[in-house]
Amino acid sequence: EAGVAQSPRYKIIEKRQSVAFWCNPISGHATLYWYQQILGQGPKLLIQFQNNGVVDDSQLPKDRFSAERLKGVDSTLKIQPAKLEDSAVYLCASTSTRGGELFFGEGSRLTVL
Amino acid sequence: GQNIDQPTEMTATEGAIVQINCTYQTSGFNGLFWYQQHAGEAPTFLSYNVLDGLEEKGRFSSFLSRSKGYSYLLLKELQMKDSASYLCAVYYGGATNKLIFGTGTLLAVQP
Repeated sequence: EAGVAQSPRYKIIEKRQSVAFWCNPISGHATLYWYQQILGQGPKLLIQFQNNGVVDDSQLPKDRFSAERLKGVDSTLKIQPAKLEDSAVYLCASTSTRGGELFFGEGSRLTVL
Repeated sequence: GQNIDQPTEMTATEGAIVQINCTYQTSGFNGLFWYQQHAGEAPTFLSYNVLDGLEEKGRFSSFLSRSKGYSYLLLKELQMKDSASYLCAVYYGGATNKLIFGTGTLLAVQP
């Protein structure tokens, strides 16, 4: 079974530029999460999708972050414009059932200069 | 909020036993996970507790007390490869059923 795929693995941009991350969850997994993990901290939930609908985006900085999950499969997370404090690893995770084990992708490491 | 508290760092000796504690807010609790995360890698699943008691899986065990809002992860016969961050994560129910992570406990295993 293929795992959660994310790209790019690494991205370096200057502040005020924009960036997009892509996630392809495990086939059949209805629930998809985006987490932000700053170095030395635990993952922080940004947004949760159930199929193609947003279930929770209360922690998403909506003035600069946006996410979508078209057709209930792949998802993209965009940051525009980026700030220095956005430097982090962005983790995508999926699960087949609500309340089930999350399977994580390898993450996209963003450095904002 | 849904505060999840764990020690920031721990140090233990190879071959020994270590216990990593986690406390959380009980309101809306639906289950608790422990994940292991090596530096630069994604978290990997270790255990899942829904009911009170001890779940044993090889060298790793996890305990849950729902009434106390308390869990621990027990690692036995420590190996150098167990040096990693250990994340406690709680499912909070209701409409969203979202998984909230603690800050993680960085465990250093010394020879």
